[in-house]
Amino acid sequence: GEDVEQSLFLSVREGDSSVINCTYTDSSSTYLYWYKQEPGAGLQLLTYIFSNMDMKQDQRLTVLLNKKDKHLSLRIADTQTGDSAIYFCAEMGTGTASKLTFGTGTRLQVTL
Amino acid sequence: NAGVTQTPKFQVLKTGQSMTLQCAQDMNHEYMSWYRQDPGMGLRLIHYSVGAGITDQGEVPNGYNVSRSTTEDFPLRLLSAAPSQTSVYFCATRGVLEQYFGPGTRLTVT
Repeated sequence: GEDVEQSLFLSVREGDSSVINCTYTDSSSTYLYWYKQEPGAGLQLLTYIFSNMDMKQDQRLTVLLNKKDKHLSLRIADTQTGDSAIYFCAEMGTGTASKLTFGTGTRLQVTL
Repeated sequence: NAGVTQTPKFQVLKTGQSMTLQCAQDMNHEYMSWYRQDPGMGLRLIHYSVGAGITDQGEVPNGYNVSRSTTEDFPLRLLSAAPSQTSVYFCATRGVLEQYFGPGTRLTVT
Protein backbone atom coordinates (compact mmCIF):
# COMPACT_ATOMS: atom_id res chain seq x y z
CA GLY A 1 0.00 0.00 0.00
CA GLU A 2 0.92 3.63 0.01
CA ASP A 3 3.53 4.85 2.45
CA VAL A 4 4.62 8.41 3.15
CA GLU A 5 7.62 9.13 5.35
CA GLN A 6 8.94 12.26 7.01
CA SER A 7 11.54 13.02 9.64
CA LEU A 8 9.94 13.80 12.98
CA PHE A 9 11.69 16.99 14.02
CA LEU A 10 13.48 20.02 12.59
CA SER A 11 14.90 23.00 14.45
CA VAL A 12 15.92 26.22 12.68
CA ARG A 13 16.82 29.73 13.73
CA GLU A 14 14.52 32.62 12.97
CA GLY A 15 15.38 34.16 9.62
CA ASP A 16 16.98 30.99 8.23
CA SER A 17 15.39 28.77 5.59
CA SER A 18 13.66 25.55 6.62
CA VAL A 19 13.55 22.49 4.39
CA ILE A 20 11.13 19.72 5.29
CA ASN A 21 11.49 16.49 3.35
CA CYS A 22 9.07 13.73 2.46
CA THR A 23 9.31 10.47 0.53
CA TYR A 24 6.43 8.42 -0.82
CA THR A 25 6.13 5.02 -2.39
CA ASP A 26 3.02 5.15 -4.58
CA SER A 27 4.13 5.82 -8.15
CA SER A 28 0.53 6.55 -9.15
CA SER A 29 0.37 9.54 -6.80
CA THR A 30 -1.05 12.41 -8.78
CA TYR A 31 -1.33 15.17 -6.20
CA LEU A 32 1.05 15.93 -3.36
CA TYR A 33 0.15 18.23 -0.52
CA TRP A 34 1.65 20.10 2.38
CA TYR A 35 -0.49 20.80 5.43
CA LYS A 36 0.32 22.83 8.55
CA GLN A 37 -1.05 22.06 12.00
CA GLU A 38 -0.66 24.55 14.81
CA PRO A 39 -1.08 23.36 18.43
CA GLY A 40 -4.66 22.40 19.26
CA ALA A 41 -5.89 23.14 15.76
CA GLY A 42 -6.96 21.28 12.66
CA LEU A 43 -4.93 20.95 9.48
CA GLN A 44 -4.54 23.90 7.16
CA LEU A 45 -3.69 23.32 3.52
CA LEU A 46 -0.52 25.22 2.61
CA THR A 47 0.03 24.20 -0.97
CA TYR A 48 -0.13 21.30 -3.38
CA ILE A 49 1.63 20.24 -6.54
CA PHE A 50 0.66 18.06 -9.45
CA SER A 51 2.91 15.13 -10.22
CA ASN A 52 3.70 16.53 -13.67
CA MET A 53 5.33 19.59 -12.09
CA ASP A 54 8.73 19.75 -10.47
CA MET A 55 8.46 23.04 -8.65
CA LYS A 56 5.85 25.38 -7.28
CA GLN A 57 6.47 28.69 -5.52
CA ASP A 58 4.00 30.59 -3.39
CA GLN A 59 5.40 33.60 -1.52
CA ARG A 60 7.82 32.19 1.12
CA LEU A 61 7.00 28.59 0.24
CA THR A 62 8.76 26.55 -2.44
CA VAL A 63 7.76 22.97 -3.18
CA LEU A 64 10.18 20.73 -5.08
CA LEU A 65 9.16 17.38 -6.49
CA ASN A 66 11.57 14.71 -7.72
CA LYS A 67 9.20 12.18 -9.21
CA LYS A 68 11.96 9.74 -10.14
CA ASP A 69 13.09 9.48 -6.51
CA LYS A 70 9.55 10.00 -5.13
CA HIS A 71 10.87 12.85 -3.01
CA LEU A 72 8.97 16.00 -2.07
CA SER A 73 10.31 18.96 -0.12
CA LEU A 74 8.89 22.15 1.35
CA ARG A 75 11.21 25.11 1.73
CA ILE A 76 10.14 28.01 3.94
CA ALA A 77 12.20 31.12 3.34
CA ASP A 78 12.92 33.58 6.18
CA THR A 79 11.40 31.27 8.79
CA GLN A 80 9.47 33.08 11.53
CA THR A 81 8.36 31.96 15.00
CA GLY A 82 4.81 31.81 13.65
CA ASP A 83 5.95 29.00 11.36
CA SER A 84 6.46 26.72 14.36
CA ALA A 85 4.00 23.88 13.79
CA ILE A 86 3.73 20.31 12.56
CA TYR A 87 3.96 19.96 8.78
CA PHE A 88 2.34 17.02 7.06
CA CYS A 89 3.08 15.73 3.61
CA ALA A 90 0.24 13.84 1.88
CA GLU A 91 -0.34 12.13 -1.43
CA MET A 92 -3.42 11.25 -3.41
CA GLY A 93 -4.12 9.42 -6.66
CA THR A 94 -6.86 10.19 -9.16
CA GLY A 95 -10.48 9.13 -8.93
CA THR A 96 -13.46 10.17 -6.84
CA ALA A 97 -12.72 7.66 -4.09
CA SER A 98 -8.98 8.29 -3.95
CA LYS A 99 -7.74 8.60 -0.43
CA LEU A 100 -5.32 11.09 1.00
CA THR A 101 -2.40 9.30 2.68
CA PHE A 102 -0.48 11.33 5.24
CA GLY A 103 3.06 11.17 6.50
CA THR A 104 3.79 11.14 10.22
CA GLY A 105 4.40 14.89 10.31
CA THR A 106 7.53 16.98 10.95
CA ARG A 107 7.56 19.23 13.97
CA LEU A 108 9.28 22.50 13.06
CA GLN A 109 10.75 24.44 15.97
CA VAL A 110 11.89 27.99 15.28
CA THR A 111 14.38 29.42 17.75
CA LEU A 112 15.43 33.02 18.30
CA ASN B 1 -20.10 29.87 5.69
CA ALA B 2 -18.83 27.76 8.61
CA GLY B 3 -16.91 25.19 6.52
CA VAL B 4 -16.51 21.97 8.51
CA THR B 5 -17.80 21.88 12.08
CA GLN B 6 -17.30 19.17 14.68
CA THR B 7 -18.91 18.60 18.05
CA PRO B 8 -18.00 18.10 20.79
CA LYS B 9 -14.52 19.63 21.07
CA PHE B 10 -13.60 17.43 24.03
CA GLN B 11 -15.08 14.23 25.43
CA VAL B 12 -14.19 11.79 28.18
CA LEU B 13 -15.75 8.33 28.06
CA LYS B 14 -15.53 5.27 30.22
CA THR B 15 -14.64 1.95 28.62
CA GLY B 16 -17.72 0.38 27.09
CA GLN B 17 -19.70 3.58 26.67
CA SER B 18 -20.99 4.64 23.27
CA MET B 19 -21.08 8.03 21.68
CA THR B 20 -21.43 9.83 18.36
CA LEU B 21 -19.01 12.43 17.07
CA GLN B 22 -20.82 14.91 14.89
CA CYS B 23 -19.51 16.43 11.67
CA ALA B 24 -21.32 18.90 9.42
CA GLN B 25 -20.28 20.84 6.33
CA ASP B 26 -21.87 23.62 4.36
CA MET B 27 -19.65 23.44 1.27
CA ASN B 28 -21.85 20.97 -0.60
CA HIS B 29 -18.96 18.55 -0.99
CA GLU B 30 -19.74 14.95 -1.84
CA TYR B 31 -16.60 13.45 -0.30
CA MET B 32 -16.32 13.35 3.50
CA SER B 33 -14.00 11.41 5.73
CA TRP B 34 -12.95 10.72 9.30
CA TYR B 35 -9.35 10.50 10.50
CA ARG B 36 -7.75 9.85 13.82
CA GLN B 37 -4.47 11.46 14.82
CA ASP B 38 -2.10 9.78 17.23
CA PRO B 39 1.39 10.96 18.20
CA GLY B 40 4.05 9.86 15.73
CA MET B 41 1.51 8.22 13.42
CA GLY B 42 0.16 11.07 11.34
CA LEU B 43 -3.47 10.90 10.34
CA ARG B 44 -5.08 7.56 9.63
CA LEU B 45 -8.29 7.20 7.66
CA ILE B 46 -11.16 5.55 9.55
CA HIS B 47 -14.12 5.75 7.15
CA TYR B 48 -15.05 7.81 4.15
CA SER B 49 -18.06 8.60 2.00
CA VAL B 50 -18.26 9.66 -1.65
CA GLY B 51 -21.86 10.80 -1.35
CA ALA B 52 -25.13 10.41 0.55
CA GLY B 53 -25.93 6.76 1.13
CA ILE B 54 -22.40 5.55 0.32
CA THR B 55 -19.73 4.78 2.89
CA ASP B 56 -16.57 2.71 2.89
CA GLN B 57 -13.82 1.63 5.24
CA GLY B 58 -10.47 3.29 5.51
CA GLU B 59 -7.27 2.08 7.08
CA VAL B 60 -8.48 1.68 10.70
CA PRO B 61 -12.28 1.08 10.68
CA ASN B 62 -12.61 -1.42 13.55
CA GLY B 63 -14.70 -0.14 16.45
CA TYR B 64 -16.29 2.67 14.42
CA ASN B 65 -19.48 2.99 12.41
CA VAL B 66 -20.59 5.73 10.03
CA SER B 67 -23.65 6.65 8.03
CA ARG B 68 -24.33 9.34 5.45
CA SER B 69 -28.00 10.13 5.13
CA THR B 70 -27.45 13.70 3.89
CA THR B 71 -24.72 15.52 2.01
CA GLU B 72 -24.13 17.80 4.98
CA ASP B 73 -23.70 15.35 7.87
CA PHE B 74 -21.30 12.49 8.49
CA PRO B 75 -21.45 11.22 12.09
CA LEU B 76 -18.93 8.78 13.53
CA ARG B 77 -20.18 6.30 16.11
CA LEU B 78 -18.18 4.48 18.74
CA LEU B 79 -20.32 1.55 19.82
CA SER B 80 -18.25 0.39 22.80
CA ALA B 81 -15.36 2.72 23.56
CA ALA B 82 -11.93 1.28 24.34
CA PRO B 83 -8.80 3.02 25.71
CA SER B 84 -7.14 2.39 22.33
CA GLN B 85 -9.64 4.83 20.84
CA THR B 86 -8.19 7.71 22.86
CA SER B 87 -7.17 10.09 20.09
CA VAL B 88 -7.94 13.31 18.29
CA TYR B 89 -10.56 12.85 15.59
CA PHE B 90 -10.79 15.00 12.49
CA CYS B 91 -13.58 15.18 9.99
CA ALA B 92 -12.77 16.43 6.49
CA THR B 93 -14.48 17.23 3.23
CA ARG B 94 -12.96 17.38 -0.20
CA GLY B 95 -13.76 19.51 -3.19
CA VAL B 96 -12.08 18.89 -6.53
CA LEU B 97 -8.55 18.79 -5.13
CA GLU B 98 -8.47 20.48 -1.76
CA GLN B 99 -9.36 18.77 1.50
CA TYR B 100 -10.75 20.88 4.35
CA PHE B 101 -10.51 19.78 7.96
CA GLY B 102 -12.68 20.47 10.96
CA PRO B 103 -11.15 21.67 14.23
CA GLY B 104 -11.09 18.19 15.77
CA THR B 105 -12.57 16.33 18.73
CA ARG B 106 -10.21 15.25 21.51
CA LEU B 107 -11.50 11.98 22.95
CA THR B 108 -10.20 10.28 26.07
CA VAL B 109 -11.37 6.80 27.03
CA THR B 110 -10.60 5.75 30.59
